Amino acid sequence: NAGVTQTPKFQVLKTGQSMTLQCAQDMNHEYMSWYRQDPGMGLRLIHYSVGAGITDQGEVPNGYNVSRSTTEDFPLRLLSAAPSQTSVYFCASSYSTGDGYTFGSGTRLTVV
Amino acid sequence: GENVEQHPSTLSVQEGDSAVIKCTYSDSASNYFPWYKQELGKGPQLIIDIRSNVGEKKDQRIAVTLNKTAKHFSLHITETQPEDSAVYFCSRSGGSNYKLTFGKGTLLTVNP
Repeated sequence: NAGVTQTPKFQVLKTGQSMTLQCAQDMNHEYMSWYRQDPGMGLRLIHYSVGAGITDQGEVPNGYNVSRSTTEDFPLRLLSAAPSQTSVYFCASSYSTGDGYTFGSGTRLTVV
Repeated sequence: GENVEQHPSTLSVQEGDSAVIKCTYSDSASNYFPWYKQELGKGPQLIIDIRSNVGEKKDQRIAVTLNKTAKHFSLHITETQPEDSAVYFCSRSGGSNYKLTFGKGTLLTVNP
């Protein structure tokens, strides 16, 4: 039981490049979400999903896309990376909306 | 709205003392209040949670209290130890949406 697995752990992108941050969970959790963490800003919700085929925007969705084709996977796509997207990204999952989250270990992204 | 205010932003205590972190929320539909601990370089980890039908919950040295009327909840850590040093986040969810909203975090330092 691996929990929530995020890859890669570190990534450096040039402005304008695209990439996908991977997130997978093996706990059969319906609810998954992506957060970004910036100094002094706490954790801000980017996108979330309440089940396969269902996604919705969070607080800071601009510049990011998501899809949920399976229960296990919830990738986050950066379409055209910008320096403002330099951050630590966390994926989290829970069994339901009223349960605690299990977080991944994060992806540290730098856009130069 | 769904905002959560968390205070203080930093807290320094001597080993063995108690630590208290306070949060307030604005959405009266909030019904679930988890607390997370984040150690350096790791993802947040759920340490305790409380639901709106309960006023207090305790787990060994950690306790959480909830005042629904005043819309605030607090984390209490007794007999602090150096390994309690970390960033602590309060959060809430509930109502018609599935979003978990976080406070901006409290950096707790326990001095030996």
